[in-house]
Amino acid sequence: DVKVTQSSRYLVKRTGEKVFLECVQDMDHENMFWYRQDPGLGLRLIYFSYDVKMKEKGDIPEGYSVSREKKERFSLILESASTNQTSMYLCASSSQGTDTNIQYFGAGTRLSVL
Amino acid sequence: GDSVTQMEGPVTLSEEAFLTINCTYTATGYPSLFWYVQYPGEGLQLLLKATKADDKGSNKGFEATYRKETTSFHLEKGSVQVSDSAVYFCALSPPGSYIPTFGRGTSLIVHP
Repeated sequence: DVKVTQSSRYLVKRTGEKVFLECVQDMDHENMFWYRQDPGLGLRLIYFSYDVKMKEKGDIPEGYSVSREKKERFSLILESASTNQTSMYLCASSSQGTDTNIQYFGAGTRLSVL
Repeated sequence: GDSVTQMEGPVTLSEEAFLTINCTYTATGYPSLFWYVQYPGEGLQLLLKATKADDKGSNKGFEATYRKETTSFHLEKGSVQVSDSAVYFCALSPPGSYIPTFGRGTSLIVHP
């Protein structure tokens, strides 16, 4: 089974802190994604990556950056956390081979910015 | 652009009731269609999918049929259980794209 692991289930940070959310997948998937999930808004794509060192902006990239130095790891960075970034963050991965459109998700990181 | 519209929740049912969660979409071409489920405290996981018109996806007693003429992919289950309580997301992926479009999710609550 594909496993997508997010480093933290819960995080509490202060306004202005730099925050790192880590995601690792073990199925050699080329594509990786970061979403945020808010009540009533569903999933919104922040950034995605289709190869090592490659990244593309999603629908809401402002205030975020990403890093993909290794194929299995995709990091989301909040350069200066703000209270409106309090949310659930979901990482996902998918293959560019068969079943390219199926996404595999981690359990999520619930971030609170105080 | 592409979009997915699903019924707002929460949907509240008694155990063994029939479930329908409506999903309609707007897309060019012939997208693949999906239902994902998110159980409390977990990420999303694929429930079922369909890749072409008239295909029926099924899993764990859930079914959905790809209806091109009505651009719909409604989720159904004949007899729900308390353990089906979760949030259900309808999604589409256009041909040749790695980026899916998700609906906003529908919360299902099943009472004993």
